[in-house]
Amino acid sequence: SQQGEEDPQALSIQEGENATMNCSYKTSINNLQWYRQNSGRGLVHLILIRSNEREKHSGRLRVTLDTSKKSSSLLITASRAADTASYFCAPGGQFYFGTGTSLTVIP
Amino acid sequence: ETGVTQSPTHLIKTRGQQVTLRCSSQSGHNTVSWYQQALGQGPQFIFQYYREEENGRGNFPPRFSGLQFPNYSSELNVNALELDDSALYLCASSLDGPDEQYFGPGTRLTVT
Repeated sequence: SQQGEEDPQALSIQEGENATMNCSYKTSINNLQWYRQNSGRGLVHLILIRSNEREKHSGRLRVTLDTSKKSSSLLITASRAADTASYFCAPGGQFYFGTGTSLTVIP
Repeated sequence: ETGVTQSPTHLIKTRGQQVTLRCSSQSGHNTVSWYQQALGQGPQFIFQYYREEENGRGNFPPRFSGLQFPNYSSELNVNALELDDSALYLCASSLDGPDEQYFGPGTRLTVT
């Protein structure tokens, strides 16, 4: 299965701190994507990293991919209250999502 | 805004009834996927349509069916509704292949 498993399940931090969440998967992939979901709404695509890339940046987001360990991490720097959401990884880009990491940023 | 719309926003149905949910994809996107998301869970893949043909299916029974139309709209039909069908239903459109998906805001279905 290409389903990703996010860790931790929940994370609570103070505004301004960095947030790191991880994703593990089991099969070989061509790319991995991260999505954000605000409460009860649709998912928003954040970033795509391809299998031949080890690290990618987008604004305050930094994503790493270690294909040998079948894992990825998402770092959000200088977090804001508006970053409060659930974050999902999608190994292979689509179809299979885990239960997500619920991030709460306390103002 | 992703350019993907869904209707209705909320819906209440009775067990045993049938329901049709609608999605309008982003213009030019020939692929649409449907997901079911129960409270506190991640989205579960129902099926995908590519150029009006079913192109993949998750672990959902045949009473979940769909259609995709040439004008980039699509439908999810669920027959013989069960209480466990209560969930947020999301559609997502994309270009060819496993590129990024653009999600709609979802339809919240409650089955009583």
